Amino acid sequence: AQTVTQSQPEMSVQEAETVTLSCTYDTSESDYYLFWYKQPPSRQMILVIRQEAYKQQNATENRFSVNFQKAAKSFSLKISDSQLGDAAMYFCAYRSRPSGAGSYQLTFGKGTKLSVIP
Amino acid sequence: DTAVSQTPKYLVTQMGNDKSIKCEQNLGHDTMYWYKQDSKKFLKIMFSYNNKELIINETVPNRFSPKSPDKAHLNLHINSLELGDSAVYFCASSQGPVGVLTFGPGTRLTVT
Repeated sequence: AQTVTQSQPEMSVQEAETVTLSCTYDTSESDYYLFWYKQPPSRQMILVIRQEAYKQQNATENRFSVNFQKAAKSFSLKISDSQLGDAAMYFCAYRSRPSGAGSYQLTFGKGTKLSVIP
Repeated sequence: DTAVSQTPKYLVTQMGNDKSIKCEQNLGHDTMYWYKQDSKKFLKIMFSYNNKELIINETVPNRFSPKSPDKAHLNLHINSLELGDSAVYFCASSQGPVGVLTFGPGTRLTVT
């Protein structure tokens, strides 16, 4: 079974600075998806960014980018020019490519609580 | 024009009661899910339905029973509620297993 590990329960960043959240995962599969979701205090789960394992190029979405290291099974999220609205829980998640029941579920890490200091 | 909606958003009830949470999506997706987020914020899948067919049924007590009357709806019924059932329950949907999940706003269930 796949596991996702976020080793930083809490982090803080100064407004306008850059922060990197870590995520590692364990899988025997070669094809899968990785995600970062954000959960602000409103508790709504919001997709931040998605990476397909077969793509070598790191995904980017505006101020959010990932560093995907497939061999190391590492998938970190970099937030540039941090804003107060970035304060939230961030969850790393794994999903198999379509090949059975495993593709129908996201496996989440335990989350990293990010605080943004004005 | 809410994409995935859940009712109610908050539910406070006593031990032993039976309650239901409803979920509806208007995205035309064919796959729906229930996730549970515990007090430590850990998210874990409970059920997954594709075209009204149960795909995933994780180790969840039999007191939890999902029902999908059609592709746009996935309801969760819980019998004989226990204190440990207190959590936030999220409904989500996607277009097949490839599609990105869209989550509902969550239902905070408190069992007293």
